[in-house]
Amino acid sequence: GAVVSQHPSWVICKSGTSVKIECRSLDFQATTMFWYRQFPKQSLMLMATSNEGSKATYEQGVEKDKFLINHASLTLSTLTVTSAHPEDSSFYICSAFSGGKNIQYFGAGTRLSVL
Amino acid sequence: QKEVEQDPGPLSVPEGAIVSLNCTYSNSAFQYFMWYRQYSRKGPELLMYTYSSGNKEDGRFTAQVDKSSKYISLFIRDSQPSDSATYLCAMRRVLTGGGNKLTFGTGTQLKVEL
Repeated sequence: GAVVSQHPSWVICKSGTSVKIECRSLDFQATTMFWYRQFPKQSLMLMATSNEGSKATYEQGVEKDKFLINHASLTLSTLTVTSAHPEDSSFYICSAFSGGKNIQYFGAGTRLSVL
Repeated sequence: QKEVEQDPGPLSVPEGAIVSLNCTYSNSAFQYFMWYRQYSRKGPELLMYTYSSGNKEDGRFTAQVDKSSKYISLFIRDSQPSDSATYLCAMRRVLTGGGNKLTFGTGTQLKVEL
Protein backbone atom coordinates (compact mmCIF):
# COMPACT_ATOMS: atom_id res chain seq x y z
CA GLY A 1 0.00 0.00 0.00
CA ALA A 2 0.93 3.63 -0.30
CA VAL A 3 3.11 5.14 2.39
CA VAL A 4 2.36 8.23 4.41
CA SER A 5 5.13 9.39 6.72
CA GLN A 6 4.29 11.40 9.82
CA HIS A 7 6.93 13.04 11.99
CA PRO A 8 7.60 13.23 14.88
CA SER A 9 5.99 10.14 16.35
CA TRP A 10 6.13 11.54 19.88
CA VAL A 11 6.76 15.01 21.18
CA ILE A 12 6.82 16.47 24.67
CA CYS A 13 6.73 20.22 25.03
CA LYS A 14 6.23 22.90 27.65
CA SER A 15 2.97 24.78 27.92
CA GLY A 16 2.97 27.89 25.73
CA THR A 17 5.30 26.56 23.05
CA SER A 18 4.35 25.66 19.48
CA VAL A 19 4.75 22.26 17.92
CA LYS A 20 4.89 21.40 14.22
CA ILE A 21 3.88 17.99 12.87
CA GLU A 22 4.75 16.96 9.32
CA CYS A 23 2.82 14.63 7.04
CA ARG A 24 4.35 13.41 3.78
CA SER A 25 3.00 11.19 1.05
CA LEU A 26 6.08 9.26 -0.07
CA ASP A 27 4.99 7.59 -3.29
CA PHE A 28 2.05 9.57 -4.59
CA GLN A 29 0.90 13.14 -4.89
CA ALA A 30 -1.92 14.23 -2.61
CA THR A 31 -3.94 17.33 -3.39
CA THR A 32 -5.95 16.63 -0.26
CA MET A 33 -4.69 15.65 3.16
CA PHE A 34 -6.60 15.37 6.40
CA TRP A 35 -5.76 15.95 10.04
CA TYR A 36 -7.44 14.00 12.80
CA ARG A 37 -7.33 13.94 16.56
CA GLN A 38 -7.96 10.80 18.56
CA PHE A 39 -8.64 10.49 22.28
CA PRO A 40 -8.02 7.19 24.11
CA LYS A 41 -10.48 4.45 23.17
CA GLN A 42 -12.33 6.76 20.81
CA SER A 43 -12.58 6.98 17.06
CA LEU A 44 -10.85 9.54 14.87
CA MET A 45 -12.20 13.07 14.94
CA LEU A 46 -11.63 15.05 11.76
CA MET A 47 -10.08 18.43 12.51
CA ALA A 48 -9.50 19.86 9.06
CA THR A 49 -9.07 19.17 5.38
CA SER A 50 -5.81 20.42 3.94
CA ASN A 51 -5.90 21.44 0.30
CA GLU A 52 -2.70 21.98 -1.68
CA GLY A 53 -2.27 25.62 -2.60
CA SER A 54 -5.29 26.90 -0.72
CA LYS A 55 -6.57 27.44 2.79
CA ALA A 56 -7.53 24.50 4.94
CA THR A 57 -11.15 23.76 5.69
CA TYR A 58 -11.74 23.36 9.43
CA GLU A 59 -14.47 21.33 11.05
CA GLN A 60 -16.91 23.02 13.35
CA GLY A 61 -15.44 23.72 16.76
CA VAL A 62 -11.78 23.51 15.67
CA GLU A 63 -9.86 26.75 16.21
CA LYS A 64 -8.02 27.61 13.01
CA ASP A 65 -5.70 30.04 14.80
CA LYS A 66 -4.79 27.33 17.25
CA PHE A 67 -4.19 24.60 14.71
CA LEU A 68 -2.38 26.07 11.73
CA ILE A 69 -2.31 23.97 8.61
CA ASN A 70 -0.06 24.49 5.62
CA HIS A 71 -0.15 22.36 2.47
CA ALA A 72 2.62 23.91 0.45
CA SER A 73 3.29 21.02 -1.91
CA LEU A 74 1.58 17.94 -3.28
CA THR A 75 3.48 15.73 -0.86
CA LEU A 76 3.66 17.73 2.36
CA SER A 77 1.16 19.12 4.84
CA THR A 78 2.06 20.48 8.25
CA LEU A 79 0.00 21.00 11.39
CA THR A 80 1.27 23.52 13.92
CA VAL A 81 -0.26 23.51 17.38
CA THR A 82 0.30 27.07 18.56
CA SER A 83 0.73 28.02 22.22
CA ALA A 84 0.09 24.45 23.28
CA HIS A 85 -1.62 23.73 26.58
CA PRO A 86 -2.08 20.48 28.50
CA GLU A 87 -5.60 20.07 27.08
CA ASP A 88 -4.03 19.87 23.60
CA SER A 89 -2.29 16.65 24.61
CA SER A 90 -3.63 13.98 22.28
CA PHE A 91 -2.85 11.63 19.41
CA TYR A 92 -2.80 13.46 16.08
CA ILE A 93 -3.05 11.51 12.83
CA CYS A 94 -2.76 12.70 9.26
CA SER A 95 -3.96 11.05 6.09
CA ALA A 96 -3.42 11.62 2.40
CA PHE A 97 -5.92 10.94 -0.33
CA SER A 98 -4.66 9.08 -3.38
CA GLY A 99 -6.82 10.14 -6.29
CA GLY A 100 -5.30 7.41 -8.44
CA LYS A 101 -6.39 4.67 -6.04
CA ASN A 102 -9.35 6.56 -4.58
CA ILE A 103 -8.13 5.65 -1.10
CA GLN A 104 -7.16 7.58 2.01
CA TYR A 105 -3.88 6.39 3.57
CA PHE A 106 -2.91 7.22 7.13
CA GLY A 107 0.28 8.18 8.86
CA ALA A 108 1.47 6.45 12.02
CA GLY A 109 0.32 9.29 14.25
CA THR A 110 1.99 11.77 16.61
CA ARG A 111 1.59 11.61 20.35
CA LEU A 112 1.69 15.12 21.78
CA SER A 113 2.24 15.60 25.50
CA VAL A 114 2.10 19.16 26.79
CA LEU A 115 3.51 19.65 30.28
CA GLN B 1 -28.40 9.22 15.69
CA LYS B 2 -24.89 8.72 14.35
CA GLU B 3 -24.44 8.25 10.62
CA VAL B 4 -22.39 5.11 11.25
CA GLU B 5 -23.00 2.73 14.13
CA GLN B 6 -20.43 0.19 15.28
CA ASP B 7 -20.36 -1.89 18.45
CA PRO B 8 -17.25 -0.82 20.39
CA GLY B 9 -16.81 -4.23 22.02
CA PRO B 10 -14.50 -5.41 23.42
CA LEU B 11 -14.84 -8.66 21.53
CA SER B 12 -12.78 -11.57 22.80
CA VAL B 13 -12.40 -14.78 20.77
CA PRO B 14 -10.15 -17.85 20.93
CA GLU B 15 -7.38 -18.30 18.40
CA GLY B 16 -8.64 -19.90 15.19
CA ALA B 17 -12.18 -18.56 15.54
CA ILE B 18 -14.08 -16.78 12.78
CA VAL B 19 -14.63 -13.15 13.71
CA SER B 20 -17.55 -11.12 12.44
CA LEU B 21 -17.42 -7.33 12.70
CA ASN B 22 -20.28 -5.13 11.56
CA CYS B 23 -21.38 -1.58 10.93
CA THR B 24 -24.71 -0.08 10.05
CA TYR B 25 -25.23 3.30 8.47
CA SER B 26 -28.06 5.67 7.72
CA ASN B 27 -26.83 7.75 4.78
CA SER B 28 -27.79 6.06 1.50
CA ALA B 29 -25.34 8.33 -0.34
CA PHE B 30 -22.37 6.32 0.93
CA GLN B 31 -20.82 4.41 -1.95
CA TYR B 32 -17.30 3.55 -0.78
CA PHE B 33 -16.74 1.31 2.20
CA MET B 34 -13.50 0.58 4.00
CA TRP B 35 -12.19 -1.38 6.93
CA TYR B 36 -9.13 -0.14 8.76
CA ARG B 37 -7.15 -1.92 11.46
CA GLN B 38 -5.54 0.18 14.17
CA TYR B 39 -3.04 -1.14 16.66
CA SER B 40 -2.59 0.71 19.92
CA ARG B 41 -0.82 4.05 19.45
CA LYS B 42 -0.52 3.59 15.69
CA GLY B 43 -2.29 5.05 12.68
CA PRO B 44 -5.08 3.12 10.93
CA GLU B 45 -4.02 0.63 8.27
CA LEU B 46 -6.32 -0.07 5.31
CA LEU B 47 -7.49 -3.68 5.22
CA MET B 48 -10.34 -3.76 2.74
CA TYR B 49 -11.89 -1.35 0.27
CA THR B 50 -15.19 -1.95 -1.49
CA TYR B 51 -17.22 0.08 -3.89
CA SER B 52 -21.03 -0.34 -3.68
CA SER B 53 -22.59 -3.70 -2.80
CA GLY B 54 -20.93 -7.08 -2.95
CA ASN B 55 -18.23 -9.22 -1.44
CA LYS B 56 -14.47 -8.94 -1.53
CA GLU B 57 -11.96 -11.45 -0.27
CA ASP B 58 -8.29 -10.97 0.55
CA GLY B 59 -6.55 -13.82 2.31
CA ARG B 60 -8.23 -14.43 5.65
CA PHE B 61 -10.37 -11.31 5.32
CA THR B 62 -13.76 -10.98 3.62
CA ALA B 63 -15.70 -7.75 3.35
CA GLN B 64 -19.41 -7.68 2.58
CA VAL B 65 -21.57 -4.71 1.72
CA ASP B 66 -25.36 -4.85 1.65
CA LYS B 67 -26.55 -1.44 0.56
CA SER B 68 -30.21 -2.42 0.66
CA SER B 69 -29.87 -3.05 4.40
CA LYS B 70 -27.22 -0.36 4.93
CA TYR B 71 -25.04 -2.98 6.57
CA ILE B 72 -21.39 -3.86 6.11
CA SER B 73 -19.36 -6.70 7.58
CA LEU B 74 -15.78 -7.84 7.92
CA PHE B 75 -15.05 -11.51 8.49
CA ILE B 76 -11.70 -12.76 9.73
CA ARG B 77 -11.03 -16.47 9.33
CA ASP B 78 -8.55 -18.43 11.41
CA SER B 79 -8.04 -15.49 13.73
CA GLN B 80 -4.58 -15.01 15.22
CA PRO B 81 -3.36 -13.15 18.32
CA SER B 82 -1.73 -10.68 15.93
CA ASP B 83 -5.23 -9.73 14.76
CA SER B 84 -5.86 -8.19 18.18
CA ALA B 85 -6.50 -4.53 17.39
CA THR B 86 -9.28 -2.01 16.91
CA TYR B 87 -11.19 -2.35 13.64
CA LEU B 88 -12.72 0.79 12.21
CA CYS B 89 -15.30 0.84 9.47
CA ALA B 90 -15.30 3.94 7.29
CA MET B 91 -17.36 5.12 4.38
CA ARG B 92 -17.81 8.06 2.07
CA ARG B 93 -19.90 9.43 -0.72
CA VAL B 94 -18.85 9.82 -4.33
CA LEU B 95 -16.39 12.63 -4.94
CA THR B 96 -18.82 15.01 -6.65
CA GLY B 97 -20.52 17.15 -4.04
CA GLY B 98 -19.29 15.02 -1.18
CA GLY B 99 -15.59 15.54 -1.21
CA ASN B 100 -13.56 12.62 0.01
CA LYS B 101 -14.03 12.93 3.75
CA LEU B 102 -14.48 9.66 5.58
CA THR B 103 -17.16 8.97 8.14
CA PHE B 104 -15.92 6.48 10.72
CA GLY B 105 -17.57 4.07 13.07
CA THR B 106 -16.45 4.15 16.68
CA GLY B 107 -14.23 1.09 16.16
CA THR B 108 -14.52 -2.43 17.61
CA GLN B 109 -11.78 -3.60 19.92
CA LEU B 110 -10.89 -7.22 19.16
CA LYS B 111 -8.78 -9.54 21.29
CA VAL B 112 -7.77 -12.95 20.02
CA GLU B 113 -6.64 -15.15 22.87
CA LEU B 114 -4.30 -18.13 22.80
